[in-house]
Amino acid sequence: SYVLTQPPSVSVAPGQTARITCGGNNIGSKSVHWYQQKPGQAPVLVVYDDSDRPSGIPERFSGSNSGNTATLTISRVEAGDEADYYCQVWDSSSDHSFGGGTKLTVL
Amino acid sequence: QVQLQESGPGLVKPSETLSLTCAVSGYSISSGYYWGWIRQPPGKGLEWIGSIYHSGSTYYNPSLKSRVTISVDTSKNQFSLKLSSVTAADTAVYYCARDPAVAGTGYFDYWGQGTLVTVSS
Repeated sequence: SYVLTQPPSVSVAPGQTARITCGGNNIGSKSVHWYQQKPGQAPVLVVYDDSDRPSGIPERFSGSNSGNTATLTISRVEAGDEADYYCQVWDSSSDHSFGGGTKLTVL
Repeated sequence: QVQLQESGPGLVKPSETLSLTCAVSGYSISSGYYWGWIRQPPGKGLEWIGSIYHSGSTYYNPSLKSRVTISVDTSKNQFSLKLSSVTAADTAVYYCARDPAVAGTGYFDYWGQGTLVTVSS
């Protein structure tokens, strides 16, 4: 199976930049997708195919992917960005895999 | 606007079969795309269960494959999940979602609101 590793938590002050990583073996060769999930709500796709944003997602959300690490970057963090974030890839050995999730706390 | 809505019993007894349906509106399943089920145990992360194409072609998470059946009813524009021999470990919020990738190897762009299924006697 393909394992995705995320830090359990990331904290950032309002207005600063948050970076959430997703580690995987040669993940740079795969397409990485990111979801935001607020308490009691379904996940929302915020970045797909490494760095594309769905319609309606602010430009503050961006993604990158290289080597063994993919990164979701949230610029000018707002209180409303506080949520759990999950990375996801498709791999031939395990089909859809999700990372364990990262709780973003806005201080 | 594509919308998905899960429905089914919220309580299932151990060893029995969990059955859920996902009704799709705003898009015809017959038009294409893959449709999947994902679950989330309370306080834990997301786990993909399986996906189905409108033709009925399916693929499942290897760890659940022996217990999972996903089917589609294009006439009702809905697809369903059956998970057999459930235990307390199957207690989770179950989501249905759409995968717009041609081969079902992409991401999930539309999700249902989720439904909590508790396995308990």
